[in-house]
Amino acid sequence: AQSVAQPEDQVNVAEGNPLTVKCTYSVSGNPYLFWYVQYPNRGLQFLLKYITGDNLVKGSYGFEAEFNKSQTSFHLKKPSALVSDSALYFCAVRDKNTGFQKLVFGTGTRLLVSP
Amino acid sequence: GAGVSQSPRYKVTKRGQDVALRCDPISGHVSLYWYRQALGQGPEFLTYFNYEAQQDKSGLPNDRFSAERPEGSISTLTIQRTEQRDSAMYRCASSLGVAGGVTDTQYFGPGTRLTVL
Repeated sequence: AQSVAQPEDQVNVAEGNPLTVKCTYSVSGNPYLFWYVQYPNRGLQFLLKYITGDNLVKGSYGFEAEFNKSQTSFHLKKPSALVSDSALYFCAVRDKNTGFQKLVFGTGTRLLVSP
Repeated sequence: GAGVSQSPRYKVTKRGQDVALRCDPISGHVSLYWYRQALGQGPEFLTYFNYEAQQDKSGLPNDRFSAERPEGSISTLTIQRTEQRDSAMYRCASSLGVAGGVTDTQYFGPGTRLTVL
């Protein structure tokens, strides 16, 4: 079955420092990977996706993610964190077993950026 | 433009009552999805529509749950005889569908928080 794992429940980083939120995947075939962010009392917002091509994907709000096939990882990164980046982040993979129509999400990682 | 909208945003009901949750997708999006998100967990797939056709309902937990999208736009998720374990955030998403190909991105609404007392 297609799955993603987010090994950290919470990541703490000081404002201005680089941040990394980890995601590893387990899929058969080519992975189609996504990152979403959930702010309090708001819906899931799409950040970025990897379909094919360059291993470094750039997305919204200055975020980027690095696809690493050998390590089966798709870590979310930002060079300089902002307090406003504090939110819940979800990694997801499209499920090829259902024709790629559904997303399978990880359990989420809470990012806390301190001033 | 307008995003995915859901109503109501909050619903409190008593055990045994039926509830109907509404989703209005982004204009022009032919694919529509329902997910359920328990506290502290990621969203879990419930069902998927392509236009008005329900293509996959494998995630619906039991026959108390049903969904429809009669005109290929607005969708309703109905839960009959609600139980306390149905309490969760119910999220709707839409996407371009086939036109988006493998790059198709799902855009989520704000969700409906259902509480069953």
